[in-house]
Amino acid sequence: NAGVTQTPKFRVLKTGQSMTLLCAQDMNHEYMYWYRQDPGMGLRLIHYSVGEGTTAKGEVPDGYNVSRLKKQNFLLGLESAAPSQTSVYFCASVSAANTGELFFGEGSRLTVL
Amino acid sequence: ILNVEQSPQSLHVQEGDSTNFTCSFPSSNFYALHWYRWETAKSPEALFVMTLNGDEKKKGRISATLNTKEGYSYLYIKGSQPEDSATYLCAFLGTALIFGKGTTLSVSS
Repeated sequence: NAGVTQTPKFRVLKTGQSMTLLCAQDMNHEYMYWYRQDPGMGLRLIHYSVGEGTTAKGEVPDGYNVSRLKKQNFLLGLESAAPSQTSVYFCASVSAANTGELFFGEGSRLTVL
Repeated sequence: ILNVEQSPQSLHVQEGDSTNFTCSFPSSNFYALHWYRWETAKSPEALFVMTLNGDEKKKGRISATLNTKEGYSYLYIKGSQPEDSATYLCAFLGTALIFGKGTTLSVSS
């Protein structure tokens, strides 16, 4: 049981490049979230999904897109990376957020030069 | 998107001291309040998920209370130990799960 797996764990991009972060969970969870962590800012919600085929914007969605084509996978895309997107990205999942705890991935450190 | 406030932002205590932090959140459209412990270079780990007004939960020396009518939760640590040093995050569940910025605790031996 791997839990929540994020790939890649590290990536360096040049401004304007695109990339996709993959979050995979094997717990059959309905809810999945993408957060970014920046110094002094805690965890800020980028996008989330309440089930396969559904996505919604969080607190800081600009510059990111997401897809949830399969229940176990939640993809976070950067179409044209900017230095302001340098951050550590965490994915999390939960079966039901009103009763269950979030399970987090190990984080993906992205640097945009 | 909603505002979830945590205070203090940071604090430093001596080993053996008891301490508490506050999480303030909107009192409307409440579904749950989560507490997490986050150590540097690791992923956040769940402490509590609280749903009912008046809820009190305990795990070892750590406990939490919840007041949904006035929109706050307290996290207590009794007899702090150096291994309690971490950032403590609360998260409010309304339409989405929104985190506060955390309280960073440092415990000196």
